[in-house]
Amino acid sequence: QVQLVQSGAEVKNSGASMRVSCKASGYIFTSYYLHWVRQAPGQGLEWMGIINPSGGSTSYEQKFQGRLTMTRDTSTSTVYMELSSLRSEDTAVYYCARGWRSSSPEYFDYWGQGTLVTISS
Amino acid sequence: DIQLTQSPFSVSASVGDRVTITCRASQRIDSYLAWYQQKPGKVPKLLIYAASSLQSGVPSRFSGSGSGTDFTLTISSLQPEDFATYYCQQANSFPYTFGQGTKLEIK
Repeated sequence: QVQLVQSGAEVKNSGASMRVSCKASGYIFTSYYLHWVRQAPGQGLEWMGIINPSGGSTSYEQKFQGRLTMTRDTSTSTVYMELSSLRSEDTAVYYCARGWRSSSPEYFDYWGQGTLVTISS
Repeated sequence: DIQLTQSPFSVSASVGDRVTITCRASQRIDSYLAWYQQKPGKVPKLLIYAASSLQSGVPSRFSGSGSGTDFTLTISSLQPEDFATYYCQQANSFPYTFGQGTKLEIK
């Protein structure tokens, strides 16, 4: 069965960087896009960006440009999301989510369990 | 960026009621719209994709309609497990965006 398993919760200082991993299993890793979505406490969902695990190409939400990097390791079927220059407003649960069809990114059919990242000042 | 505005922000309803949630896009998005359900402390769940297609395993009491800029999610007969927050999401163009959410509460 399809599974996306994320790394554990983190506490980071303001100004530091974070890296969250998302290990995929149960499907052909390179055939499906992966997205990152975050949710601040008590708030709605915010799309951050997308990576194509096949070639590694990415597209990021403009507000994160310069701070956000998504990478993948095809040997371990894992994608990584790194966010730098952290501030208190980055405190959130971070989710990876799979695009719903092979080579089609539009909708998110499987989600990781979420990783809570807390930024302390 | 395409803005999605959901209404209402919250709604109270009873088991067995019919409930409709709307989502309006700031520009035309054809049928590139999905609906998700999220329960407290849980991961979002895809209900509807391409505006009106029911995701596998989702009960048929959920339905979606619309195209262009105006969309609706309808739950035909509320069940206890349906009380949750619902989000729309557009996939017409990057950056993908979500509505602010509609909280469905028990009356």
